[in-house]
Amino acid sequence: GQNIDQPTEMTATEGAIVQINCTYQTSGFNGLFWYQQHAGEAPTFLSYNVLDGLEEKGRFSSFLSRSKGYSYLLLKELQMKDSASYLCAVMDSNYQLIWGAGTKLIIKP
Amino acid sequence: GAVVSQHPSRVICKSGTSVKIECRSLDFQATTMFWYRQFPKQSLMLMATSNEGSKATYEQGVEKDKFLINHASLTLSTLTVTSAHPEDSSFYICSAIKINEQFFGPGTRLTVL
Repeated sequence: GQNIDQPTEMTATEGAIVQINCTYQTSGFNGLFWYQQHAGEAPTFLSYNVLDGLEEKGRFSSFLSRSKGYSYLLLKELQMKDSASYLCAVMDSNYQLIWGAGTKLIIKP
Repeated sequence: GAVVSQHPSRVICKSGTSVKIECRSLDFQATTMFWYRQFPKQSLMLMATSNEGSKATYEQGVEKDKFLINHASLTLSTLTVTSAHPEDSSFYICSAIKINEQFFGPGTRLTVL
């Protein structure tokens, strides 16, 4: 079957760095997405990785290792507004998204 | 960036009525659109994949006669919740694929009384 695993909840301190991991097993691979979702809102696209390596966008970076079925989202210089759920999703061979359950990130002052 | 809109953003209806939700890709053509449903405190649940000019592909457990999907053009897909019941109350989100990126609509909150 297809499976996406990510931690349910993480806590970090304002100004610090946090890494959210995602492992996956899917039928085919056409890229991995990270989304940020605040309560009651639609997800916001953060990053897309289809090749191995690190993609950096400002305070956010995303890493992919296809051979290990592994990705992480790295958030630096955490701000209170970064408190949200972070969703990992893999696009399979049929171009459908397989979603993880999301990681709730709590930022403390 | 690409924009996907949904209409209406909120709708309240009586039990037994039907509600239509529109999803539009405003500045690009999307041959494939997705419809999701989100329950409180849960991740998105894919309901169906909507392909322009053909029948939608429904996920297991989703009633195709209750959730009617029409993808009549490359910029518009509609989801009609037929004979809505209170348990259909939820947040419905559509998305569209542009090249290798997925863009989400803002969502429609449906409340069935």
